[in-house]
Amino acid sequence: DQQVKQNSPSLSVQEGRISILNCDYTNSMFDYFLWYKKYPAEGPTFLISISSIKDKNEDGRFTVFLNKSAKHLSLHIVPSQPGDSAVYFCAAMLGGSQGNLIFGKGTKLSVKP
Amino acid sequence: GAGVSQSPSNKVTEKGKDVELRCDPISGHTALYWYRQSLGQGLEFLIYFQGNSAPDKSGLPSDRFSAERTGGSVSTLTIQRTQQEDSAVYLCASSSLIRGYTFGSGTRLTVV
Repeated sequence: DQQVKQNSPSLSVQEGRISILNCDYTNSMFDYFLWYKKYPAEGPTFLISISSIKDKNEDGRFTVFLNKSAKHLSLHIVPSQPGDSAVYFCAAMLGGSQGNLIFGKGTKLSVKP
Repeated sequence: GAGVSQSPSNKVTEKGKDVELRCDPISGHTALYWYRQSLGQGLEFLIYFQGNSAPDKSGLPSDRFSAERTGGSVSTLTIQRTQQEDSAVYLCASSSLIRGYTFGSGTRLTVV
């Protein structure tokens, strides 16, 4: 029973266009969400996060949107660059504690020049 | 060190053998996590250490898996009597604050 779902295993976009990666969750008690980026043969690296008290967080080309009523979050990358090609994982945490993160299965983004 | 260090980076073992995977967290990080990523799957939580508290072992898939963290620093994940379904990338992460959740590069375990 997956609590964090990334329903698109892959996404391909053209360089310069917007990439939108989606994530759905089932547990309404999640109150902190993160996106990680993973290149082959490397560990995931933190990209951006959002607290449940917000609906948007922006950091340069990356923006995360949270829709609590729909239990949905999305990561927007604008403009997309070939170096953004990687697997993106959505993760969620309960109660703001330092407990374990629950990850989705990831979406592989390919940005074509 | 500057990052989370895992060793070995690759391990091939025969079915039925025991393996030990090592994680050196970032100095001063009180929390340490083990995850694994099987082919086509997301990151599966295995175990979590926080300071001197009892570890959260709720993600360990069977009693063949165990982990310890000595002196609040280095951690070893042990898999006994390995099976082919144990083949995966085993990732370790450490953190002091949630944004400091830093992963190592992982150990790719192949059971043949």
